[in-house]
Amino acid sequence: AQKITQTQPGMFVQEKEAVTLDCTYDTSDPSYGLFWYKQPSSGEMIFLIYQGSYDQQNATEGRYSLNFQKARKSANLVISASQLGDSAMYFCARNTGNQFYFGTGTSLTVIP
Amino acid sequence: GAVVSQHPSRVICKSGTSVKIECRSLDFQATTMFWYRQFPKQSLMLMATSNEGSKATYEQGVEKDKFLINHASLTLSTLTVTSAHPEDSSFYICSAIRAETFTDTQYFGPGTRLTVL
Repeated sequence: AQKITQTQPGMFVQEKEAVTLDCTYDTSDPSYGLFWYKQPSSGEMIFLIYQGSYDQQNATEGRYSLNFQKARKSANLVISASQLGDSAMYFCARNTGNQFYFGTGTSLTVIP
Repeated sequence: GAVVSQHPSRVICKSGTSVKIECRSLDFQATTMFWYRQFPKQSLMLMATSNEGSKATYEQGVEKDKFLINHASLTLSTLTVTSAHPEDSSFYICSAIRAETFTDTQYFGPGTRLTVL
């Protein structure tokens, strides 16, 4: 099975605090990519961060970082210094080549 | 950046009519584009993979005669919902992969909300 699991349907975080969104995956492919996307209420899917399965270091993009633990098959997204504009759905995805598999998403609400 | 546009953003049509949705990569060439459907509060469901100059590959359960996909150029793919019915009402979103990248990151358009009356 090519399953992506996001166990947190909803999360709340205080503004300016950090939050971790969980993602685990199941694959037997030796090479794959891991992605996080943000989907605000407008509907657009915004690419946030990418981690390759062979990358030695965790990916970082501004306030986003990916906590990649290959042996555990987890790729958690860490958002530091949360802002009100971070309130959105967040989807984890894994690919092998062109084939993408998405998780069910986590709804994040940032509280002022 | 990697910008993907979709047009129209919203469309309301009568049952039985056809609706065409365009997906364009504005600042890059896309050898592969994807069409997804998303129901409220759910994840994206892949409908089909579209490669420039060839027939689209449809996912199981997606009617190719109902959802016509054309990828005529490296920057444009279209999805036509033929003889639309109320159950086709949904959020349709396309994505594209840059031809020259290594990561196969999919860049998404803003989506099209289709309502069939």
